[in-house]
Amino acid sequence: GAVVSQHPSWVICKSGTSVKIECRSLDFQATTMFWYRQFPKQSLMLMATSNEGSKATYEQGVEKDKFLINHASLTLSTLTVTSAHPEDSSFYICSAWGGGNQPQHFGDGTRLSIL
Amino acid sequence: QQQVKQSPQSLIVQKGGIPIINCAYENTAFDYFPWYQQFPGKGPALLIAIRPDVSEKKEGRFTISFNKSAKQFSLHIMDSQPGDSATYFCAATVGGGADGLTFGKGTHLIIQP
Repeated sequence: GAVVSQHPSWVICKSGTSVKIECRSLDFQATTMFWYRQFPKQSLMLMATSNEGSKATYEQGVEKDKFLINHASLTLSTLTVTSAHPEDSSFYICSAWGGGNQPQHFGDGTRLSIL
Repeated sequence: QQQVKQSPQSLIVQKGGIPIINCAYENTAFDYFPWYQQFPGKGPALLIAIRPDVSEKKEGRFTISFNKSAKQFSLHIMDSQPGDSATYFCAATVGGGADGLTFGKGTHLIIQP
């Protein structure tokens, strides 16, 4: 089945640091990749949608200068949390869509803890 | 504004029972309704999905019932097992996988041995 890999799975860093999270589709080309955020015991909230070679589309309330998304190839998207602060601590999950009638396939998420 | 309402928030069922999780949506443009299973520390995994042109879909022990006029859909898990204990999310979107998913708040399911 379709596999989406996220790296790192867990990161702890100091306040003010920028953190990059990678999302790769391992066995298919992803027309579109999505980034979600999940707080403990809560649902997933869509942050942004990215298409290869295009600027990402951000959901209302998501700061595009805070959460930089790059989708340089059909198999890789990155999310950079710039100048991270404790309130940015969360579980970040990406998904990838290969087009047609395919569903979105999710990665295993990245747990970000900002001290 | 919560566009997909999910209930119950938590559910405990004995092994072999049939847990039922319900969702209701507001946006009539939604045309794809997947269910995801999530274990702690993991991403959600697709269980089963339905489009509004059918009223029921079954895959293995999982069944979706869909009521377009009521804007409701539900997940039934047959012959539930302790390994089914997880958090289940319903979701909805427009255009299949092309658009971002709107998730319900999730149901924490426990299957007791």
